[in-house]
Amino acid sequence: KAGVTQTPRYLIKTRGQQVTLSCSPISGHRSVSWYQQTPGQGLQFLFEYFSETQRNKGNFPGRFSGRQFSNSRSEMNVSTLELGDSALYLCASSAGAEDNQPQHFGDGTRLSIL
Amino acid sequence: SQKIEQNSEALNIQEGKTATLTCNYTNYSPAYLQWYRQDPGRGPVFLLLIRENEKEKRKERLKVTFDTTLKQSLFHITASQPADSATYLCALDNNNQGGKLIFGQGTELSVKP
Repeated sequence: KAGVTQTPRYLIKTRGQQVTLSCSPISGHRSVSWYQQTPGQGLQFLFEYFSETQRNKGNFPGRFSGRQFSNSRSEMNVSTLELGDSALYLCASSAGAEDNQPQHFGDGTRLSIL
Repeated sequence: SQKIEQNSEALNIQEGKTATLTCNYTNYSPAYLQWYRQDPGRGPVFLLLIRENEKEKRKERLKVTFDTTLKQSLFHITASQPADSATYLCALDNNNQGGKLIFGQGTELSVKP
């Protein structure tokens, strides 16, 4: 089975721009979560989607948004980019709706803001 | 305030020894706790999950304990190998709030031959 695929792997943007990141979960997985990882804050939860509905949301500003499609693929969007948005953005999928599912992570998109 | 703390310093051990990593939490009541391994430039990889009613879980050379009274989990790697060198992250659920996992900062483990 193919793992979680994130595209692109690297991205460079400037302040004020917007960006869209893509995640393809493991086949059959219906839950997709997004995390931001920085050296200072570590791994922080952004949001989770299950069956195209946002099920949970972390403490990030409204500039961060996401969606999930009927085939479980997910995108996240960040508008009006700030320097502090530079981070590794990780997507994780899990099989079901239960809360104790192990998360299967992709290798992330490294976003750099100039 | 809510906190998850892992060994603040990197852990350096000799090959063949047992590595013990600590995860302490404050003001959470997790139903389960997970451990992940992360290599540089890669996403975390799931290792083990332990539930609040389980004291100990084993998988090959790995062992996890979970003490809800002490609010602590210990992660052991026995007969450690240089290939075990990585950052290890603990994560817990935040009172059954869907897929929201709260991660510790991680402990960097280095196993020297």
